[in-house]
Amino acid sequence: QKEVEQDPGPLSVPEGAIVSLNCTYSNSAFQYFMWYRQYSRKGPELLMYTYSSGNKEDGRFTAQVDKSSKYISLFIRDSQPSDSATYLCARIEGSNYQLIWGAGTKLIIKP
Amino acid sequence: ETGVTQTPRHLVMGMTNKKSLKCEQHLGHNAMYWYKQSAKKPLELMFVYSLEERVENNSVPSRFSPECPNSSHLFLHLHTLQPEDSALYLCASSPRQGRHTDTQYFGPGTRLTVL
Repeated sequence: QKEVEQDPGPLSVPEGAIVSLNCTYSNSAFQYFMWYRQYSRKGPELLMYTYSSGNKEDGRFTAQVDKSSKYISLFIRDSQPSDSATYLCARIEGSNYQLIWGAGTKLIIKP
Repeated sequence: ETGVTQTPRHLVMGMTNKKSLKCEQHLGHNAMYWYKQSAKKPLELMFVYSLEERVENNSVPSRFSPECPNSSHLFLHLHTLQPEDSALYLCASSPRQGRHTDTQYFGPGTRLTVL
């Protein structure tokens, strides 16, 4: 089973809140995960990637991998209306390093 | 122009029409990709090209026909499509194919509606 599962949302939170976006995966030989952000009428853009377990921080964004529970999380601190977008998680699969995608979670930050 | 561009941005076609989607990357990358994005579904990889050679074809119906004349351009030729083919078609490129450290850069997509 290759799937990456995401709650489609929408997730609506007030400006300034801490946002938690989550994905679960079934199995992965490669502990390499990515978060992409997709604004309306645009293509996805890489936000962060993580390798193996633990946290990775980049400004207001923190990516977390919990291998034991097969859970991937993206936290956004001090959320802004400009963070409103769809967030896609993905993992690497196979010897050709194909990306396996989640369906995305739509996030709305209310001013 | 910078990054990855796609034309047209919107396309409406009948089931008997023939049309083509165009993608151009200005990043000097060697790998290019076609994805299909349907509402509330994961991105589906359709085709992968590396140095103008097709390296991946994920069981895509023959009514979709890709063409990669050089490493900067990628086309998706469409004919006798079905209404369920309506979706956002995304083109992406990466420096190389098959390297997990190489980021894929996406174009804005072509919104296709099949009547």
